[in-house]
Amino acid sequence: GAVVSQHPSWVICKSGTSVKIECRSLDFQATTMFWYRQFPKQSLMLMATSNEGSKATYEQGVEKDKFLINHASLTLSTLTVTSAHPEDSSFYICSASPIRQGVSWEQFFGPGTRLTVL
Amino acid sequence: KQEVTQIPAALSVPEGENLVLNCSFTDSAIYNLQWFRQDPGKGLTSLLLIQSSQREQTSGRLNASLDKSSGRSTLYIAASQPGDSATYLCAVQNAGNMLTFGGGTRLMVKP
Repeated sequence: GAVVSQHPSWVICKSGTSVKIECRSLDFQATTMFWYRQFPKQSLMLMATSNEGSKATYEQGVEKDKFLINHASLTLSTLTVTSAHPEDSSFYICSASPIRQGVSWEQFFGPGTRLTVL
Repeated sequence: KQEVTQIPAALSVPEGENLVLNCSFTDSAIYNLQWFRQDPGKGLTSLLLIQSSQREQTSGRLNASLDKSSGRSTLYIAASQPGDSATYLCAVQNAGNMLTFGGGTRLMVKP
């Protein structure tokens, strides 16, 4: 149980285009989903926290108009990188926190999406 | 703001050695601390989670300790194997269910 998927697993796009990445919790409902970015040989940096049905909370330095997050249901969150540029090339990882009574700390991670912007 | 540091950044050892990976954090008001493994180009695999009230957790050849007051954790890997080669990430959880990750230790175990 507690499987999180991401689609696509990798994507190559041209500069100026937009790319949508999906994060799904396959066998549980998630109150909260998190989006992280990881540059080569660096650690994960939290970009934003999204709760179903409400606006995402972005970390300092992350442009909310560039990285659009939609948490439309308890099993799906999407991250859209708008007007992508080569510096947006990175590994994007999502995690999901299940709805469990009395337990709020769990996060299950997706396999990541490799974005390359040419 | 929580900061997490991992030492060493990289480690290369021959097979069979016992290893210690270090993690330190600046804000001791944590809910828990987790150790993850990440293979190249892949997502995260949770290895061990230590709640703030606990001192250590063990799973197979892995043992993680936590000293919350001093802001330190260690991951001990016994009898290392080539299959242990990966990046090991330490992450602490504070209020709001947020995880703050360290920079990772890239481990190479040579046969």
